[in-house]
Formats: sequence, C-alpha cells, structure tokens
Amino acid sequence: GAVVSQHPSWVICKSGTSVKIECRSLDFQATTMFWYRQFPKQSLMLMATSNEGSKATYEQGVEKDKFLINHASLTLSTLTVTSAHPEDSSFYICSASSLGSTYNEQFFGPGTRLTVL
Amino acid sequence: LAKTTQPISMDSYEGQEVNITCSHNNIATNDYITWYQQFPSQGPRFIIQGYKTKVTNEVASLFIPADRKSSTLSLPRVSLSDTAVYYCLVGDPLKGGGADGLTFGKGTHLIIQP
Repeated sequence: GAVVSQHPSWVICKSGTSVKIECRSLDFQATTMFWYRQFPKQSLMLMATSNEGSKATYEQGVEKDKFLINHASLTLSTLTVTSAHPEDSSFYICSASSLGSTYNEQFFGPGTRLTVL
Repeated sequence: LAKTTQPISMDSYEGQEVNITCSHNNIATNDYITWYQQFPSQGPRFIIQGYKTKVTNEVASLFIPADRKSSTLSLPRVSLSDTAVYYCLVGDPLKGGGADGLTFGKGTHLIIQP
C-alpha cells in the first residue's frame, strides 16, 4: 500500500521559534497533500490543502502566515509553524492522494507531536 | 458533505462481534461511505468503503441499507488491539477526485476489554 512518512515524529520547542514538519509520499506521486491538526481527545481538523507547484488553500480560521505550507515536489510537502506558541501544541497529521484516486482514498502519515513550551 | 452521527463510545469484549452504526440522513446520490481507524498518536488508517448493500474485506464488513441513510461497520471477533477511534465519512468520489480534504466527525471510541 501507499506509504506516507512524516518528520520529525515529535518536536519540543520554545515559544517564538519556528518549526518545520515534512510530509513525504514514499512510493507514489502525491498531486495533493492535506494537513490536519488534532488536539487531545478531539477529531482531526483540516487545516489546508496543498497542490504541487501552487499555493495552498487554507480552511477558514487557519492563519496562512502562521502555518506556511510548501509543496515543491510530487513527493514532499512541508508545514512550517512560525513563531510557535503553547496554543499551537498539537498533533499534526498529513495525508496524500494521487491523481485519479477516488474520494476518501487518502493515505495518512504517522503524525508529528508538537509541544511548545 | 453529508453530516454523520456516530455513538461517542462503545465497549465490548475480546472475541465478540462489534457493530458500529453511523447515521447520514443527508447522503447524496453520488456519495460513498468510508470508515477509518485511528490509534492514539497515529494517523488514521483506511478500513473499508462502500456505496450500497454489503462490502467485505479481510478486516471488516460494511452494511448499507437500501435507503443509505445509515451504515454499519462490523468487526468480527475483536481483540484488544482493535481498541481505537473509528470514523465514518461520507463523500462524492466524482466531485472530490481525491482533491478535497476529509471532514472528520467526532468518531466512535471503541474499547475492547479482556
């Protein structure tokens, strides 16, 4: 099956610093990647949709200047949390779909646990 | 996207069959039903997808009545490792084409006891 990896799996940083999270599709080309955020005991919330070579589309309420998304290749998307604060502490999950895949056929990464002190 | 309603939690015992029902009264003609499983601190994992009647794979069965306003995920002979959150999602594959983010509901927290 399709494999999506994320790096790092966890990160702890000080308030005010920026953190970059990578999402890679290992064995397929991902035309679209998605970024989700999940707070403890809550469901996944879609943050943004990232298409290769174009600007990301952000969901309502998600600050595009704070959560910078880059999708420079068909196998890599990055999420940078700029000037992170404790309230940004969360579980960030990416997923990927390929051209021609059906709806709901997304392959999820293992997630990245971000803790901002 | 059709809204889904699931029980918040369920519990069962090892070896039992577990059925989790999802309501989706506003499902559209072209919508498919998909179930995901999520373990703590992991990304969701695809379980099964269907449109109508019954679908079965190596891990689960999905029952969809004729009116398609609900669906039931059936897990045969559960084990402790099936303790997880199960999400029911509804969407149109033709409209989405894999290009739309998924809308997750609250999911069902299934707890399996020895």
